[in-house]
Amino acid sequence: GAVVSQHPSWVICKSGTSVKIECRSLDFQATTMFWYRQFPKQSLMLMATSNEGSKATYEQGVEKDKFLINHASLTLSTLTVTSAHPEDSSFYICSALEARGQNEQFFGPGTRLTVL
Amino acid sequence: AQKITQTQPGMFVQEKEAVTLDCTYDTSDPSYGLFWYKQPSSGEMIFLIYQGSYDQQNATEGRYSLNFQKARKSANLVISASQLGDSAMYFCAMSNFQTGANNLFFGTGTRLTVIP
Repeated sequence: GAVVSQHPSWVICKSGTSVKIECRSLDFQATTMFWYRQFPKQSLMLMATSNEGSKATYEQGVEKDKFLINHASLTLSTLTVTSAHPEDSSFYICSALEARGQNEQFFGPGTRLTVL
Repeated sequence: AQKITQTQPGMFVQEKEAVTLDCTYDTSDPSYGLFWYKQPSSGEMIFLIYQGSYDQQNATEGRYSLNFQKARKSANLVISASQLGDSAMYFCAMSNFQTGANNLFFGTGTRLTVIP
């Protein structure tokens, strides 16, 4: 099956620093990638939809200047958490929609961000 | 607007028994898809099964089957012959294809514990 990777899998940073998370589709092309956020014991909440070569579409309440998304190629999308604060600590999961596939989103393993 | 509801925060099942996890949804779009994902403690989202709104038959994938009742707007997951490795969080999700966005909206999840 299709494989999506995320890097890093776990990151700890100081408050005020920026963190970049990469999402890669390893064996397929993904015109659309999604970024989700999951707080402990809660469900996944869609943050934004990332389309290759265009600006990301952010969900209501998500600050686009804080969560910068770049989908530069058909296999890579990045999420940068700028000036991270402790409340940004969460589990960030990306998913990718295969360019010629049906409806299934393939999920990455997630990135656990802890901001001190 | 679309809404996914999972009313069972936690479920217990005896090993080798069958269990049904409930999911109801609400949407005004005629074309949509329903998904079930498993999330073990490691965090990755594992795709289990998919049901399209126009599919005539209930989806099945090995020990997983989806009891799709369109008129009731329910898409319950049935796991047969439960195994200890089935203990995890289970999320029901929906995507509306009418908009072409392919966004996934998740329910709050059900934590399944398989008892030996």
